[in-house]
Amino acid sequence: ETGVTQSPTHLIKTRGQQVTLRCSSQSGHNTVSWYQQALGQGPQFIFQYYREEENGRGNFPPRFSGLQFPNYSSELNVNALELDDSALYLCASSPGASGRAPQETQYFGPGTRLLVL
Amino acid sequence: AQSVTQLGSHVSVSEGALVLLRCNYSSSVPPYLFWYVQYPNQGLQLLLKYTTGATLVKGINGFEAEFKKSETSFHLTKPSAHMSDAAEYFCAVSDGLSGGSQGNLIFGKGTKLSVKP
Repeated sequence: ETGVTQSPTHLIKTRGQQVTLRCSSQSGHNTVSWYQQALGQGPQFIFQYYREEENGRGNFPPRFSGLQFPNYSSELNVNALELDDSALYLCASSPGASGRAPQETQYFGPGTRLLVL
Repeated sequence: AQSVTQLGSHVSVSEGALVLLRCNYSSSVPPYLFWYVQYPNQGLQLLLKYTTGATLVKGINGFEAEFKKSETSFHLTKPSAHMSDAAEYFCAVSDGLSGGSQGNLIFGKGTKLSVKP
């Protein structure tokens, strides 16, 4: 069974650029959540996708957007990058048996470390 | 709003000593509680979770945690620390409220555990 994978592992961008991060969910999982982990902080929820639709969103501006594909893989897009966007971006998948299920375990990928200069 | 507080950003123990990492939560609904571990340059791995039922939860690698509703706590313990336990530990509560963020994890700021030989 393949776990959650993310690409790329590291990325360097400059302010104002756009970036796309990718995530492949664990086999059999139809729900994907994205988190931002700034240095020295706990992860913060960005948004969640369930069966290709946005299923919830945290306190992030609209320049953070996403997609989920029919195979349940997902993308996180960030436009107009700012210095404060530098962080580790984590993707997590869960079985999503009933959509939003607070008791379900989320399985995390290794993350993409983004540096904005 | 739900929140998590982890007391102590850094805990240091000797190999073989008791590990105690503290977590307090705030929730207006019955909480679902999680402990994750993060090794350097890696994603998050689930140690254990509490959903319902028995309040003493056993996890992987000899860790356990006890849900104490009266104290709003979910402290993580391990009787005997091993060098390989050195990592960062995150306590999280799952947002069980209805609305856009339901089912998503709210993390504490993390506790870095060091183990001295």
